[in-house]
Formats: sequence, C-alpha cells, structure tokens
Amino acid sequence: AQSVSQHNHHVILSEAASLELGCNYSYGGTVNLFWYVQYPGQHLQLLLKYFSGDPLVKGIKGFEAEFIKSKFSFNLRKPSVQWSDTAEYFCAVNAPGGSYIPTFGRGTSLIVHP
Amino acid sequence: DAGVIQSPRHEVTEMGQEVTLRCKPISGHDYLFWYRQTMMRGLELLIYFNNNVPIDDSGMPEDRFSAKMPNASFSTLKIQPSEPRDSAVYFCASSPRQGVDSGANVLTFGAGSRLTVL
Repeated sequence: AQSVSQHNHHVILSEAASLELGCNYSYGGTVNLFWYVQYPGQHLQLLLKYFSGDPLVKGIKGFEAEFIKSKFSFNLRKPSVQWSDTAEYFCAVNAPGGSYIPTFGRGTSLIVHP
Repeated sequence: DAGVIQSPRHEVTEMGQEVTLRCKPISGHDYLFWYRQTMMRGLELLIYFNNNVPIDDSGMPEDRFSAKMPNASFSTLKIQPSEPRDSAVYFCASSPRQGVDSGANVLTFGAGSRLTVL
C-alpha cells in the first residue's frame, strides 16, 4: 500500500522567505502526485499536480514542485512567501496501477508572519 | 457548477445523538469520497463510492458510522450514536473519474462539516 510522509508538521516563516515543504511517498511504481492547500476556514483545493513529463511542475500562486523519482520525493517550493500563503498544505499520491484513490499526508501547517 | 455542497457547516450535538451529514457532489462526477480531518490523525479516508456503489469502507471507524449514496447527486454520512471522539471536520469530495489520464484523479472538496459532540 502506498503511504505519504510530510516531514514538517509546522513551519513558521517571515514574508519574503523561501519555502520548501518535504513530501516522500512509498510506492515503487508509477505514481501521480498532488499538492492541495487548505486556507484557514476553507476547503482543500488543488495547488498543483504531476502526472508525467517535466518533473518540475508549476502551480498557482507561484508554487512549484519537483518530482525526484530516485528519492521518492515531491517537495513543494516557493521562492518568496506572502502572508496570504498561511495555510495547511497536503501532499497526496495515487498509484495508477492500484485503485487510483489518493492517499494524503498528515499535512504541514504554514504560518507566514507579515 | 456550484461545487461540492455539504450541510450542515456546523453541528453541535450531545453524546448519544444521531448525526447526519449531507453531500451533493459535482454533477457528472462518478466518484464520491468522505474524509475526516482531525488534529491527531490528519486527513483520513472513511469511504468512497463509484457510480453510487460503496467500493471501500475500510476506513469507517466502527459500526456507528454508515454512509449511503441513494443517487448520483446525494450522499449521507450518519453517526449513531455519536461520541465526543467523533468531533472532527468531515469533508466530502468528488472526482470525475480515476484513471491514467491527467484529467482524472483530481478531487474537488466541499467546505466541510464541523462536528462537535459534547
């Protein structure tokens, strides 16, 4: 069965700082990878996704993620965070060879101080 | 489309009472998921449906929990009797399909139902 690990549970940054949130998965085959974001009091929404092709994926609001197959990782990055990026970030993976149902990580809470 | 619609948004009830959470998925989406979010356990998949049929309910905590999808536009998650440890945010999500193409597998979540059991 696939699993997802998000190493940082809580991250606190100042505005303009760079961000990198770690995500590792455990599945040896082909995977689809996602990052979802949950702003305070809101529902989860898709930030970006990887299915195939260029391992560097660009999403909304200046976020990007890089799929490194050899490291089973899909880390989320942003060069300069804003106060409005304060949210919970979830990494998810599903295995096309399996049920396709996504497995979510525990989430990382990001607080950005103005 | 109005997105995935959940009700109620907030529910406060007493231990032992029955709780029913409702979900209207996006029209045309074949998959419907129920998730529970807590601080301790994060986001847990409780059950999912494909074309109104429950496919995997292994995440349902115990017999007090039940879910139904009588038609393509409506699903319920029921807890009877409720307990304080059931307090959480319950999310419903839908997906057009699950498969190999890049348009599949993306979940659209509802706003969630925050349940507090006293």
